[in-house]
Amino acid sequence: EAQVTQNPRYLITVTGKKLTVTCSQNMNHEYMSWYRQDPGLGLRQIYYSMNVEVTDKGDVPEGYKVSRKEKRNFPLILESPSPNQTSLYFCASSGTSGRGNNNEQFFGPGTRLTVL
Amino acid sequence: KNEVEQSPQNLTAQEGEFITINCSYSVGISALHWLQQHPGGGIVSLFMLSSGKKKHGRLIATINIQEKHSSLHITASHPRDSAVYICAVRRVEDDKVIFGPGTSLSVIP
Repeated sequence: EAQVTQNPRYLITVTGKKLTVTCSQNMNHEYMSWYRQDPGLGLRQIYYSMNVEVTDKGDVPEGYKVSRKEKRNFPLILESPSPNQTSLYFCASSGTSGRGNNNEQFFGPGTRLTVL
Repeated sequence: KNEVEQSPQNLTAQEGEFITINCSYSVGISALHWLQQHPGGGIVSLFMLSSGKKKHGRLIATINIQEKHSSLHITASHPRDSAVYICAVRRVEDDKVIFGPGTSLSVIP
């Protein structure tokens, strides 16, 4: 089954304790992305990757790191989480990095993070 | 001014009604996505458009590239269509994805 998986689905942590949210897709997609969703602010892009070893900042990259060492995985790293990073996080992937009708986005189930 | 805008912000409809949600954007795009999010949080991709029109069941999506406008239509609406519908565009200049604020739809039996 084609899917994007994220782990963990729920996480409560404390300020300053490094954490990683994993994201994996089994569709051989080039484009992968991380988003956060906050009440009143909607969805915003954190980082994205056009292919292996290629990553770019989205609109809200501060406080986050990513890596793309393999095509299927795109982990999101919070080196020193703070309460303002409490949010619902989504990973997504799509088929091509260019134009055309085949780059539909597939979303992971979401990770609800609380930083105390 | 936001790069992606949607209207209406909220919409209440009677079951069976024809519904239209609009999305306008101000940047050059390589693709436009319509997404659905039910209470509980999961996001489902409904359509990806770069031109023309697509239909899936009771849902129809159109895009006018020249006017920078897209519409999502729901025919014969049903209470299970109650959700937030989100328009998102992929900017051609840098492949960033920008989201609209969403349209909250409630379909009453």
